[in-house]
Amino acid sequence: KAGVTQTPRYLIKTRGQQVTLSCSPISGHRSVSWYQQTPGQGLQFLFEYFSETQRNKGNFPGRFSGRQFSNSRSEMNVSTLELGDSALYLCASSAGRGGEKLFFGSGTQLSVL
Amino acid sequence: DQQVKQNSPSLSVQEGRISILNCDYTNSMFDYFLWYKKYPAEGPTFLISISSIKDKNEDGRFTVFLNKSAKHLSLHIVPSQPGDSAVYFCAARQTGANNLFFGTGTRLTVIP
Repeated sequence: KAGVTQTPRYLIKTRGQQVTLSCSPISGHRSVSWYQQTPGQGLQFLFEYFSETQRNKGNFPGRFSGRQFSNSRSEMNVSTLELGDSALYLCASSAGRGGEKLFFGSGTQLSVL
Repeated sequence: DQQVKQNSPSLSVQEGRISILNCDYTNSMFDYFLWYKKYPAEGPTFLISISSIKDKNEDGRFTVFLNKSAKHLSLHIVPSQPGDSAVYFCAARQTGANNLFFGTGTRLTVIP
């Protein structure tokens, strides 16, 4: 089975711009979660999508949004980028029944200048 | 508010010795705990987990211990190998939920 695929791997944007990140989960997985990793903060949960519906949401401002398509692929959007949004954004997938381990992609490294 | 804490940012151990990585949590609703390993430029990979109904789980060289009364868990790696050098994240989950709460990670260096 192919793993979780995230594109692009690296992204450079300037303040005020918006960005869209993409994630393709493992085949058959219906749950996609997004995490933000910054130095010293570990991984912070952004949101989870299951069957095209947001099932859970972390404590991030409304500038961070996502969606999931019928093929379980997911996108994450950040609008009005700020310098503090520079981070590694990780996508994880699971079957979605709850309580399973997550499989992570390699992430998208976003730099905001 | 960091509900999962790894207070040691780094740890160095000689090859062949034991590595002990520690993790504390504050939320008594957590009932499942996991350890992930992360190499540079890669996503975290699952290593080992433990349910709150157990106090120990073993998988080869890796053992996780859970002390619920102290809200503390630890990962033991015996014997440590240079290939174990990575950042280790402790994570926790509430019943039925899919999202994980992660610690800030401990960078383990195993010296040959």
